Amino acid sequence: ELKVEQNPLFLSMQEGKNYTIYCNYSTTSDRLYWYRQDPGKSLESLFVLLSNGAVKQEGRLMASLDTKARLSTLHITAAVHDLSATYFCAVDPLGAGKLIFGQGTTLQVKP
Amino acid sequence: NAGVTQTPKFRILKIGQSMTLQCTQDMNHNYMYWYRQDPGMGLKLIYYSVGAGITDKGEVPNGYNVSRSTTEDFPLRLELAAPSQTSVYFCASSPRGGTAYEQYFGPGTRLTVT
Repeated sequence: ELKVEQNPLFLSMQEGKNYTIYCNYSTTSDRLYWYRQDPGKSLESLFVLLSNGAVKQEGRLMASLDTKARLSTLHITAAVHDLSATYFCAVDPLGAGKLIFGQGTTLQVKP
Repeated sequence: NAGVTQTPKFRILKIGQSMTLQCTQDMNHNYMYWYRQDPGMGLKLIYYSVGAGITDKGEVPNGYNVSRSTTEDFPLRLELAAPSQTSVYFCASSPRGGTAYEQYFGPGTRLTVT
């Protein structure tokens, strides 16, 4: 069974702190996607990771991909309240855009 | 560019009723997708299409039908609505099959079946 597991599912942190969200998946996939969802809103694309060792950074967020370990991380540096949202990772094992999503990690950043 | 648009935004259906969720994109994307998101969960793929006239099942297709007569439109049909279909439905599009490009999502349709 294709599984994508995120850890933790809920994260409450203080502004200014660093933390990492983990995304493990059970089958081979060379591509991994990170999305952000604000409450009651749609999904916004954050990162597309296309190969082993890929690292992408945007502002306080940095994503990496290790296809051998079937693991992606989303690292948050010096969190700010505006980063409060739910973050999803998704893999594309069949290569046809048939994404398999994780359960999501809800991040709450407290002032 | 409006991107991906969906109508309606909200709908309440009675058990056994039918409805069509509309999805339109103006980005000339070949690939389109329908997902459902249950409370507190990730998205699950219902159906997808790689171009006009071509559709295929995703992970959870039972109770739904789709058609793709044009590049722009990808409607999702619910026949005989059931409470288990209460969910938020997202349509998405991609310029290719998601192999190298991310999917762009619409605003969603919140459906309640009672």
